[in-house]
Amino acid sequence: EPEVTQTPSHQVTQMGQEVILRCVPISNHLYFYWYRQILGQKVEFLVSFYNNEISEKSEIFDDQFSVERPDGSNFTLKIRSTKLEDSAMYFCASSAPGQGVYEQYFGPGTRLTVT
Amino acid sequence: GNSVTQMEGPVTLSEEAFLTINCTYTATGYPSLFWYVQYPGEGLQLLLKATKADDKGSNKGFEATYRKETTSFHLEKGSVQVSDSAVYFCALSAWEGSQGNLIFGKGTKLSVKP
Repeated sequence: EPEVTQTPSHQVTQMGQEVILRCVPISNHLYFYWYRQILGQKVEFLVSFYNNEISEKSEIFDDQFSVERPDGSNFTLKIRSTKLEDSAMYFCASSAPGQGVYEQYFGPGTRLTVT
Repeated sequence: GNSVTQMEGPVTLSEEAFLTINCTYTATGYPSLFWYVQYPGEGLQLLLKATKADDKGSNKGFEATYRKETTSFHLEKGSVQVSDSAVYFCALSAWEGSQGNLIFGKGTKLSVKP
């Protein structure tokens, strides 16, 4: 069964450093999303991406964040200058129109630890 | 704005007990409703969904009915197993304006004891 993959599974970085989290969505999907989950809290929407541009973003997704689909398979989330409060689990998700509208498939997540 | 409220956990049950996890929502328009499950150390998996009022989603013995009159989508299972121990998230996706972004509840941790 096709699945969303994410790398790395765990990333440790120092405050102020840039990180790039990588995702490979399911191959025929067209909508891509990033969510995050701070330890013990709810899953929060960050950004959605369709047709090579951001569709919608939350208040969390400020100028420190950016997303890119550099080729036909990868979808990346970049945090330019990490803060301690960016420590969280980051989930990538993808969906395809026509396969149950808005049914999103999640990757296993990348745990980001900012020290 | 759109929001989801779930019963607070943790919930601890014995094997074969009946499970209910309450979920209510606030939304404009006609949202789709979902239950996602997160097993220890893993990502989110879609458990079941309902896209319109009175729809019943079901999977792996779990059920939830979309009740528009009470704005609820309670998760139930008649007989839980130890392997059901996980965190359960209720979520909605609004039809209007949000491009299908999911809004999650805080999650309810379920522990099933043998």
